[in-house]
This record gives sequence, C-alpha cells and structure tokens, in this order.
Amino acid sequence: DVKVTQSSRYLVKRTGEKVFLECVQDMDHENMFWYRQDPGLGLRLIYFSYDVKMKEKGDIPEGYSVSREKKERFSLILESASTNQTSMYLCASSFWTSYNEQFFGPGTRLTVL
Amino acid sequence: GIQVEQSPPDLILQEGANSTLRCNFSDSVNNLQWFHQNPWGQLINLFYIPSGTKQNGRLSATTVATERYSLLYISSSQTTDSGVYFCAVERGSGGGADGLTFGKGTHLIIQP
Repeated sequence: DVKVTQSSRYLVKRTGEKVFLECVQDMDHENMFWYRQDPGLGLRLIYFSYDVKMKEKGDIPEGYSVSREKKERFSLILESASTNQTSMYLCASSFWTSYNEQFFGPGTRLTVL
Repeated sequence: GIQVEQSPPDLILQEGANSTLRCNFSDSVNNLQWFHQNPWGQLINLFYIPSGTKQNGRLSATTVATERYSLLYISSSQTTDSGVYFCAVERGSGGGADGLTFGKGTHLIIQP
C-alpha cells in the first residue's frame, strides 16, 4: 500500500513564526505536492516537485516556500506565518508517468494565532 | 485554467438508496480521480479514471472524455458512505507532473 505521512495532525503557531510542515512517502514516487483546503474554496495547489531540488509553483504559492532534499521528503515552509494561513494542508505523491494517480497524506490542520 | 464543476453540492439519502454524482470539466484531461474525504479529513482514492468505466464493489465510475464529464455511482448506500466526494482533474498537457484541480465536492449524508 502507498503510504504518505505528514509530521503532525494538528499544529498551533503564533503569527510571525517560521513553520515547517513535513511530508514523507514510501513508494519511490518522483512527484510530490502540497495543497491547502479551505471551506468554500476547496483544495488548491500550493507547490509541487517532480525531482529532488526541483520545484514548481502552483495556484497559490505566495507566502510559502518548499524544500526537497531527498526523494521521499517534501517540506512546506511558512517563512512568517499569518492568520490567513490557518488551514488544512494536504500532501500528495505520484509517479512521473502517464499513469500518475495521486495519493494523499492524512493532512495537517494548522492554526495560526 | 480548467474548470471542474460537481453536482449536486449536497445530497441526503436513506440507507439502501442509490445515487449518481456528476463531474463536468471544461477541457480535455489526462488524469481524472474520484476521492472520498472521511470525517477526519483523509482523502481516500476511489477511482483513477481518465476514460472508460470501472467498478469496485458498490461503487462504479464512468468518464466520457469526449463529452467532458464523469459520473460516480453508489449503490445500496450505507451510513459509512457519508462524507464529501471530490472529482479532480490534472491540469496541463500531461507527461508526468502537474497538480490536480478539484471540484467543490458533493456532500453526501446517508441516514439510517
């Protein structure tokens, strides 16, 4: 079975803090993705990566950065957290092929106070 | 960018009923997936179905790519089927790496 894990289920941070969200997959997938989910807005793509040290912006990259130093690990970084970044963050991974079904982690519910 | 519309937005059914959820998309796609989001927020993969028909137990899905829609059928509904069902399509021209664009989902409630 595909396993995508995220470092925390719930996280509470203060405005201005630097926040790291970690995602690890065990299927040797090339692609990894970060999405956020908000009521009324659905799931939106923040960033994705198709290889180590490679990254591509999604639809809403502002206020975020990412890091991929190893194939199995993809980090989302909030350089200076703000209250409008309170959200559910979901990580996903897939193969870099024409058959690229995405598999999701359990999500991290981040609250910024 | 590509638009994904799901209908109905909300659906309340009695246990044992059948249902059909629809997903319309605005352009050709290389990847279409159906997910069920459980009450804890986990997205569970139901189908990877850019075209054709697939079945898995009480669930089946059909995508008619030329007409840009997909249908998810749930038969003999159970209370555990409750939750939000998402359709998501892959943006871009395919070839290996791109994010998914999600519809707003169908919130399904199965009453005992």
